[in-house]
Amino acid sequence: GAVVSQHPSRVICKSGTSVKIECRSLDFQATTMFWYRQFPKQSLMLMATSNEGSKATYEQGVEKDKFLINHASLTLSTLTVTSAHPEDSSFYICSATTSGSYNEQFFGPGTRLTVL
Amino acid sequence: ILNVEQSPQSLHVQEGDSTNFTCSFPSSNFYALHWYRWETAKSPEALFVMTLNGDEKKKGRISATLNTKEGYSYLYIKGSQPEDSATYLCAYRNYGQNFVFGPGTRLSVLP
Repeated sequence: GAVVSQHPSRVICKSGTSVKIECRSLDFQATTMFWYRQFPKQSLMLMATSNEGSKATYEQGVEKDKFLINHASLTLSTLTVTSAHPEDSSFYICSATTSGSYNEQFFGPGTRLTVL
Repeated sequence: ILNVEQSPQSLHVQEGDSTNFTCSFPSSNFYALHWYRWETAKSPEALFVMTLNGDEKKKGRISATLNTKEGYSYLYIKGSQPEDSATYLCAYRNYGQNFVFGPGTRLSVLP
């Protein structure tokens, strides 16, 4: 099956630093990648959709300058949390889709970010 | 705002019991309904994608039904095993194409 990796799986950083999270599709070319955030006991909330070579589309309420997304190739997307603050602490998870009907999403294992 | 609900939030069953849970979603503009199984420390795993009213899908001991007119889907697990313990997520898609996830049902199967 399609495999998506995410790195790092866990990161702890000081307030004010920036953190980069990588999402890679290992055995397929992803036409689109999605970034989600999950608060405790809540749903996965879509943050942004990125297509290779173009600017990401952000959901309402998500700060573009805060959460920088780069989709440099068909197998790699990165999410950078800039000048992180404790309220950015959360679980971030990416997914990737291939072309085809109904565009099934394949998820990475997620990244737990803790900002001190 | 599209609202996808799942019930119950969590449940505990004994090994061998059969169980089911519900995903409720908007019935208008329906495109597809996805079910995922999410084990702790792993990636969510796709179980089913359902598109037509009345659809029934089956994968081993797990099956799902879909009612797009009333906006619900049921997931059934027959003869639950400890390895079925996971959070089961549903995700609704309309013709805008984005996924809207429910909060999940956390299943614990006790040996």
